Amino acid sequence: DTEVTQTPKHLVMGMTNKKSLKCEQHMGHRAMYWYKQKAKKPPELMFVYSYEKLSINESVPSRFSPECPNSSLLNLHLHALQPEDSALYLCASSQGLLGNTEAFFGQGTRLTVV
Amino acid sequence: AQSVTQLDSQVPVFEEAPVELRCNYSSSVSVYLFWYVQYPNQGLQLLLKYLSGSTLVKGINGFEAEFNKSQTSFHLRKPSVHISDTAEYFCAVSRIQGAQKLVFGQGTRLTINP
Repeated sequence: DTEVTQTPKHLVMGMTNKKSLKCEQHMGHRAMYWYKQKAKKPPELMFVYSYEKLSINESVPSRFSPECPNSSLLNLHLHALQPEDSALYLCASSQGLLGNTEAFFGQGTRLTVV
Repeated sequence: AQSVTQLDSQVPVFEEAPVELRCNYSSSVSVYLFWYVQYPNQGLQLLLKYLSGSTLVKGINGFEAEFNKSQTSFHLRKPSVHISDTAEYFCAVSRIQGAQKLVFGQGTRLTINP
């Protein structure tokens, strides 16, 4: 199984809503990542988890809150988002922290904030 | 810090013609190099990677890339493209030592015309 599964595939939420994005992998990878991708732009790193501990937070606003409940799961909790937060949110995992290990990406969650 | 420049934002090519997508990088430390492909409404998929050894790297779907250290380039090539190759292509680097993230270029949109 070389898949990273993200749910939901699409999400529309209001600016006062609270929602969560979910990411799951069963490859035994110990590093997991959240990326944000705006249209016609490359992915931008948001968070890195290594061995279930937050390793990097790329100065992401606190309305985005990551959580790694176990080595297979990564969540992104969303609260009080703005319309400019609408984007494709990609989850990725790798065997260890990047170097010679490949990152596997999920299909993404397309988020629209109204 | 590392940076990646993809010199062409869009490349239109006729079907069965050869194509080259250009990528240059800048880094004060040694890096690994990657090419990822993103099909419409999909996540990213690894095409190929250069870690060490032979500078000519072969990947999936008939793509190959050549690492040129003196020119700090990692151009992607395919001798004969198909309609199904229409996608966004991203060049990326990660540090060899202490890497925790991929640094992406801006992407090249490859459009195959019949």
